[in-house]
Amino acid sequence: QQQVKQSPQSLIVQKGGISIINCAYENTAFDYFPWYQQFPGKGPALLIAIRPDVSEKKEGRFTISFNKSAKQFSLHIMDSQPGDSATYFCAASIRGTYKYIFGTGTRLKVLA
Amino acid sequence: KAGVTQTPRYLIKTRGQQVTLSCSPISGHRSVSWYQQTPGQGLQFLFEYFSETQRNKGNFPGRFSGRQFSNSRSEMNVSTLELGDSALYLCASSLEGSTGLGTSYEQYFGPGTRLTVT
Repeated sequence: QQQVKQSPQSLIVQKGGISIINCAYENTAFDYFPWYQQFPGKGPALLIAIRPDVSEKKEGRFTISFNKSAKQFSLHIMDSQPGDSATYFCAASIRGTYKYIFGTGTRLKVLA
Repeated sequence: KAGVTQTPRYLIKTRGQQVTLSCSPISGHRSVSWYQQTPGQGLQFLFEYFSETQRNKGNFPGRFSGRQFSNSRSEMNVSTLELGDSALYLCASSLEGSTGLGTSYEQYFGPGTRLTVT
């Protein structure tokens, strides 16, 4: 019940295309869902985050869609660029704590 | 504002030794969490400290321990190192809310310490 399932494991997208990464969770106590971007040799960097009372949040080319009833959320990267090539992690936090449960990661490659 | 800093960045230790890793959070952040990242297990939560107290703990053996100082800086210690402890150890800091209840806040990660156990 503490797991966050992330798919796909890897993704190849053409420049200018849309990258979509999906995550699903079971624990209804989760109330905060961030996405992180990680480049090789670096720590994860916070991209965007959403709370369950919102169905969508957009920041620049990055959009989170949240489906509370299905317990799923996804990251959409619009107009994907080669510089977006990185590993993306979804996460969920347990209400009132800073204990993040991370998905297994998606390795995104954007072809020039 | 400076980000989360971790020292050392790279470390090579021998099986059976112990190691101490250090983390300085973003100025004003009072919560510090530690994570282990490996190719096989991904990112796993170790523990979280707030006001010098361990508030949450993950499912790691007692060889993994930590502490937080009054200036919010944190250290984690791994004793009796095993080959499987080779990993990237990440520290993250958070700006704790005034009550610490209900609301979760963003965590900002440092660059990590790459530990290799031989």
